[in-house]
Amino acid sequence: QQQVKQSPQSLIVQKGGISIINCAYENTAFDYFPWYQQFPGKGPALLIAIRPDVSEKKEGRFTISFNKSAKQFSLHIMDSQPGDSATYFCAASMGGKLIFGQGTTLQVKP
Amino acid sequence: GAVVSQHPSRVICKSGTSVKIECRSLDFQATTMFWYRQFPKQSLMLMATSNEGSKATYEQGVEKDKFLINHASLTLSTLTVTSAHPEDSSFYICSANTQGYEQYFGPGTRLTVT
Repeated sequence: QQQVKQSPQSLIVQKGGISIINCAYENTAFDYFPWYQQFPGKGPALLIAIRPDVSEKKEGRFTISFNKSAKQFSLHIMDSQPGDSATYFCAASMGGKLIFGQGTTLQVKP
Repeated sequence: GAVVSQHPSRVICKSGTSVKIECRSLDFQATTMFWYRQFPKQSLMLMATSNEGSKATYEQGVEKDKFLINHASLTLSTLTVTSAHPEDSSFYICSANTQGYEQYFGPGTRLTVT
C-alpha cells in the first residue's frame, strides 16, 4: 500500500517530441505528488508537484496530469530536449514522508 | 532560495571506521530533515526522519545504532555511519522542508568503504 509504481523504466524520445512517464499508487492518504529530476552523481531536483484536488498543473514544458479516481498521475515533457536526458522520479507524500517510484531514465536524441 | 548543502561530496574510508556527513539548509530553517540512501541505478530509499532537538525516527530495517543521526539545529543535521563496511558504500542524500510540502534535496555524498 505504500508503493508507488512507475513506468516505463526507460524511455527514448526524439528531440522535440513528448515524453510521458506514468505513476500509480494505492494509498489514498497520500496528499502531495512531486516529480524530481536527477542527473548522474547529483541530488534530485524538484520539477513540479500537484495536490490531489487538482487534475492538471503546468509549468513551462512540464505538465502533471492527475487522475484521483484511477490513483494515477503522469508527467508530460513537451518539446523534449537533449538537456532533459536524466532520471525522473515520481513520489507520493504522506505526513511529509516521500515514497519514490522506481525511476525512469529518459534519453532525448538530437 | 531553498538550497541544501552536504559535506563532504565524496569520502573514502577504511572498513571499521566511522564517517560523518553534514547536511545544511543554507537559506531557510528546516522543520524536518530526511536522510536517504541510493544504490546505483536504483530509487531513493528513506532511512530516517529527524526533527530539531528530538530523536530521529528510523524506517524499518535501518539500524539506528549504525546510522547515527543528530539534528542539532534548524539548519544542520548529521549522519554518522559507524563501523562502516563495504556494503555501506552508497550515495547518501539529505533533504529538508519547512512548513510546506516541498522537500529540497542536497547534492548527495558518495561513500566508498574499502
